[in-house]
Amino acid sequence: DGGITQSPKYLFRKEGQNVTLSCEQNLNHDAMYWYRQDPGQGLRLIYYSQIVNDFQKGDIAEGYSVSREKKESFPLTVTSAQKNPTAFYLCASNGPFRGDQPQHFGDGTRLSIL
Amino acid sequence: GQQVMQIPQYQHVQEGEDFTTYCNSSTTLSNIQWYKQRPGGHPVFLIQLVKSGEVKKQKRLTFQFGEAKKNSSLHITATQTTDVGTYFCAGYTGGFKTIFGAGTRLFVKA
Repeated sequence: DGGITQSPKYLFRKEGQNVTLSCEQNLNHDAMYWYRQDPGQGLRLIYYSQIVNDFQKGDIAEGYSVSREKKESFPLTVTSAQKNPTAFYLCASNGPFRGDQPQHFGDGTRLSIL
Repeated sequence: GQQVMQIPQYQHVQEGEDFTTYCNSSTTLSNIQWYKQRPGGHPVFLIQLVKSGEVKKQKRLTFQFGEAKKNSSLHITATQTTDVGTYFCAGYTGGFKTIFGAGTRLFVKA
């Protein structure tokens, strides 16, 4: 079955530590997205990528970094500069090429501070 | 910046009652999408509306897109406990950015 796989499901970060969240899709989608969801809140866009080796900042990119070396993969690094990282992180994808298509979401990663 | 406002934030209903959530955009939308997120889950796409004044139905769910393409609504008739979750609208204005509303969380009491 085609879909988006996020790992790990739960992640704990120590002070001053960088952590990386994995997102892999086998839907052959061109565009991939990272969202942050806080309790009782909507989805805020962190980064998105339209194509391999290209990505753009979203509304809340500070303290985060991404890479897009393969079409299937779009990992998100939460750096130590992100002072309030506790949230539910969702990866999504859509395509082909156009951004107006419905987005498919992974199961998410819950990140907490130790 | 562009915003999509969604109301109400929460809605408690008795099973069998109707439910409606509303979205309003600060700008004209090319399309609007609706998603449902079950508690502890991820958003799942329900439907996309593209045309001005469009109305679409999925069983007990009715979706509307306003004439000016700046507002939309989702109406559920005779709610069931399986309808529990958060309903998001998401407005698309171009490029690769879709703006999500804050969502309406629906609680259904049996």
